[in-house]
Amino acid sequence: GAGVSQSPRYKVAKRGQDVALRCDPISGHVSLFWYQQALGQGPEFLTYFQNEAQLDKSGLPSDRFFAERPEGSVSTLKIQRTQQEDSAVYLCASSPRSGWKETQYFGPGTRLLVL
Amino acid sequence: QKEVEQNSGPLSVPEGAIASLNCTYSDRGSQSFFWYRQYSGKSPELIMSIYSNGDKEDGRFTAQLNKASQYVSLLIRDSQPSDSATYLCAVISLQGAQKLVFGQGTRLTINP
Repeated sequence: GAGVSQSPRYKVAKRGQDVALRCDPISGHVSLFWYQQALGQGPEFLTYFQNEAQLDKSGLPSDRFFAERPEGSVSTLKIQRTQQEDSAVYLCASSPRSGWKETQYFGPGTRLLVL
Repeated sequence: QKEVEQNSGPLSVPEGAIASLNCTYSDRGSQSFFWYRQYSGKSPELIMSIYSNGDKEDGRFTAQLNKASQYVSLLIRDSQPSDSATYLCAVISLQGAQKLVFGQGTRLTINP
């Protein structure tokens, strides 16, 4: 079956522009996560949805970052007024159910470069 | 102190040998432990998960967990050049709302 997909795969933005990153989780997956991965580092948690409810947004680095999942499937991560330090790979992951034993399946990521 | 720590490497191992990757974590409430493999420019892929103390084997891979020492490791037997990748250790805490907390990854190179 289809895995997690993300678009665009690459995004170049000028500093100050707004960007929107899309995640299509595996069909039927309840949980959806966003992570940010800087070059040479492990992914860092940004936010978590269970269906349409955003249960944890503690990792969002500033109020310029906003995520939504209005119908409990597709999710969008929006970054307003992008800064150079926002340059990273943004990974989306989904899991079938909620629970601490559930495997998270990762999408290919969106590589964002802010100039 | 980082929540999850790994030696960033690079770790170089001859083909056919055993590669040993180590990880320590600081949160005693951690309940789930995962090893992900990440090829350059690709997304993380789950290799092993372990939840209780002891060893768990899957093919050439063995994960070891020691909660008292807050230590988890991954052994790769009969290492192949295709095993060359970055290995990410990740944990989930009961207080963490199921988020994965990753180490910085260990870069492994298998030399033919």
